Amino acid sequence: EAGVTQFPSHSVIEKGQTVTLRCDPISGHDNLYWYRRVMGKEIKFLLHFVKESKQDESGMPNNRFLAERTGGTYSTLKVQPAELEDSGVYFCASSHTPWTEAFFGQGTRLTVV
Amino acid sequence: GESVGLHLPTLSVQEGDNSIINCAYSNSASDYFIWYKQESGKGPQFIIDIRSNMDKRQGQRVTVLLNKTVKHLSLQIAATQPGDSAVYFCAVGGSNYKLTFGKGTLLTVNP
Repeated sequence: EAGVTQFPSHSVIEKGQTVTLRCDPISGHDNLYWYRRVMGKEIKFLLHFVKESKQDESGMPNNRFLAERTGGTYSTLKVQPAELEDSGVYFCASSHTPWTEAFFGQGTRLTVV
Repeated sequence: GESVGLHLPTLSVQEGDNSIINCAYSNSASDYFIWYKQESGKGPQFIIDIRSNMDKRQGQRVTVLLNKTVKHLSLQIAATQPGDSAVYFCAVGGSNYKLTFGKGTLLTVNP
């Protein structure tokens, strides 16, 4: 069974540009989560999808971040325009139900210069 | 909200010894607790979880202990091996299904 996959693994962009991160969850997992880890800090929750609906987006930093999950399959996280403080590792995770173990992808390392 | 603190950012042990990694949380309403292992260049990997109606759970070479009275969580690794070297995170969940992570403990196993 394929795990959670994220694309790209690394991205370096200039301040003001747009970047789109993609996450393919484990097939059949209705719950999809985005987290990020800024350098030196803990992993922080961004948002939670149940199928295509946003269950909780309380962790999204501001309106420069837009997450979508069309059709309840893969998800994208767009940052537009990117700022320096957006640099970090963005993780996606998926689970069958909210209270079962969440499987994490390898993360996308975003560097804004 | 929830906050998760860590007792030690690094831990160094000898191969074969037992390791204990600790975590403290703040919200007494939290009811789901997980330990993750993260190796360099990889995402967090699930190790073991425990719900608030339990105080101990065992897996293969790992044991999680939960003390709700003092809001403390620990991960015990028996007979630590070099392959156990990684960063270990505790994460705490409540009714809103989102996890709050600690900063992580870097475990180094010396041969």
